[in-house]
Amino acid sequence: GIQVEQSPPDLILQEGANSTLRCNFSDSVNNLQWFHQNPWGQLINLFYIPSGTKQNGRLSATTVATERYSLLYISSSQTTDSGVYFCAVDPETSGSRLTFGEGTQLTVNP
Amino acid sequence: DAGVTQSPTHLIKTRGQQVTLRCSPKSGHDTVSWYQQALGQGPQFIFQYYEEEERQRGNFPDRFSGHQFPNYSSELNVNALLLGDSALYLCASSLAGADTQYFGPGTRLTVL
Repeated sequence: GIQVEQSPPDLILQEGANSTLRCNFSDSVNNLQWFHQNPWGQLINLFYIPSGTKQNGRLSATTVATERYSLLYISSSQTTDSGVYFCAVDPETSGSRLTFGEGTQLTVNP
Repeated sequence: DAGVTQSPTHLIKTRGQQVTLRCSPKSGHDTVSWYQQALGQGPQFIFQYYEEEERQRGNFPDRFSGHQFPNYSSELNVNALLLGDSALYLCASSLAGADTQYFGPGTRLTVL
């Protein structure tokens, strides 16, 4: 099956810093989503981005489908950005099943 | 607009017991997927239900079974619980033909 690698596994920032999280995948995909998992376990949708670039406030994401990677940018980080960020992909159409990476644990210190 | 809901929030069982977890999809959604998330790992796909039938299944034993009701809500059943079944169980809903899945808050299962 498809493989998903996220880097770095851990990231510690000071409030106000910028960061880039990376997701590599081993096959072409029709679905790619970025999620933020808060300390209570809730997975929050950030982006649906199988290709192209999107922005939402301080967050933006870019997926280069031909090179099989996606990047999540967090600017001016805040302590509330702490948590685990997951990339999840599906090679099929119609969102059948998501394969998740191992996540990036982000800690933003005040 | 109600999001995905799951019950119970937490559950403690002993080895060999059986458990049932419940999920109500986001309003307007007709497809429910279940995932298992062990501590420190990413979620793993268990199975997906659409039109009351299991449409896809991940690499999980037959001890894991499910059901979808006419109102699109779903149950996940696990029989003969093992210590290794301790995990956060996440339900996701989507609209058939659409790609974006939305997750519930999860049920944390502890098997002693």
